[in-house]
Amino acid sequence: EDQVTQSPEALRLQEGESSSLNCSYTVSGLRGLFWYRQDPGKGPEFLFTLYSAGEEKEKERLKATLTKKESFLHITAPKPEDSATYLCAVHPYGGATNKLIFGTGTLLAVQP
Amino acid sequence: NAGVTQTPKFQVLKTGQSMTLQCAQDMNHNSMYWYRQDPGMGLRLIYYSASEGTTDKGEVPNGYNVSRLNKREFSLRLESAAPSQTSVYFCASQDRLNTEAFFGQGTRLTVV
Repeated sequence: EDQVTQSPEALRLQEGESSSLNCSYTVSGLRGLFWYRQDPGKGPEFLFTLYSAGEEKEKERLKATLTKKESFLHITAPKPEDSATYLCAVHPYGGATNKLIFGTGTLLAVQP
Repeated sequence: NAGVTQTPKFQVLKTGQSMTLQCAQDMNHNSMYWYRQDPGMGLRLIYYSASEGTTDKGEVPNGYNVSRLNKREFSLRLESAAPSQTSVYFCASQDRLNTEAFFGQGTRLTVV
């Protein structure tokens, strides 16, 4: 069964304290992996798409990487405005062609 | 450019009542989706429409119906609301397969 697991469930960092969020996936084949940011009371906001192992994408303090079994979202020198829930989703081969499978997210809190 | 617009933002229903959640996108996207988000469960796909005139069941379709009215609009109907349908509902649209999806702001539905 296709599955996405994110860890940790919650993470509290001090401003400037770098860390990584993990997204492990089990799928028959991967079309693409997506990272989203979700603020309280809002819809998910797209961050990155990764398509193949070894691929990396960067945006400001965020960097996403992909291996054959997991993806990491690295946060360098975070600021309080980076506080949000970060969601990972995979688009697998097989089954419904438009199906995205989401993880339950990591709630990040960055304290000043 | 409004993106994906959902109405209403909040709704309280009594058990057995019916209602329709509206969604419209102005990005000329082909695919549209309805998700529900529950604590600890992540986003789960209810129904999707890969293109105008087609709809398909997702992971949790029971108790819901959808209509793809035209390319812009995709509505979700609850015929007889149940407390188990208390959730936050998100509409999303996507241009091409395996590209990023854009989400609306969500509808918070409570069924009492």
